[in-house]
Amino acid sequence: GENVEQHPSTLSVQEGDSAVIKCTYSDSASNYFPWYKQELGKGPQLIIDIRSNVGEKKDQRIAVTLNKTAKHFSLHITETQPEDSAVYFCAAGYSTLTFGKGTMLLVSP
Amino acid sequence: DTAVSQTPKYLVTQMGNDKSIKCEQNLGHDTMYWYKQDSKKFLKIMFSYNNKELIINETVPNRFSPKSPDKAHLNLHINSLELGDSAVYFCASSQGVGWYEQYFGPGTRLTVT
Repeated sequence: GENVEQHPSTLSVQEGDSAVIKCTYSDSASNYFPWYKQELGKGPQLIIDIRSNVGEKKDQRIAVTLNKTAKHFSLHITETQPEDSAVYFCAAGYSTLTFGKGTMLLVSP
Repeated sequence: DTAVSQTPKYLVTQMGNDKSIKCEQNLGHDTMYWYKQDSKKFLKIMFSYNNKELIINETVPNRFSPKSPDKAHLNLHINSLELGDSAVYFCASSQGVGWYEQYFGPGTRLTVT
């Protein structure tokens, strides 16, 4: 089955800095790579996703890159704000999703 | 309007009891899921239904039994609850199987004492 590793587990940044979260996956058949944000006491919410036929995707301050050869993908958040503080999950799969263990992002004002 | 709703939000019960969690989605989606999130925030899929048919059944004790009476509902019944069942259970739905956005419910925090 798929195995997804996510790093770091905790990331602290100052407001305005950039944050990068990295994930690797094991199953070369995986073709869908979403990122979810989970705020305290809530369910995960999709923030951006990328499919295997695309190498990079950007949505305002958020971008995701995918390297299929190396089997890794990354989330980049620029100009971080305190409201970006949450747990972020990467996931990979084709018929079902396997999630990484999450990264707690703390943005200090 | 709540897209994916779960009841109850909190559930505290004793070992050995049987309990159910209900999930409803009003998005018109064909696929629904149950996930378990443990105390370390690890999110793991348990079941997936597509058009009321079970398509994914991960390694879950058979004390857990999902039921989908129609495409908008997916309930989770748990028999003989154990301490290790304490977790947050999330229901989710998506338009289909594969690379579709999954919409998560608010979660049900189950505490077994």
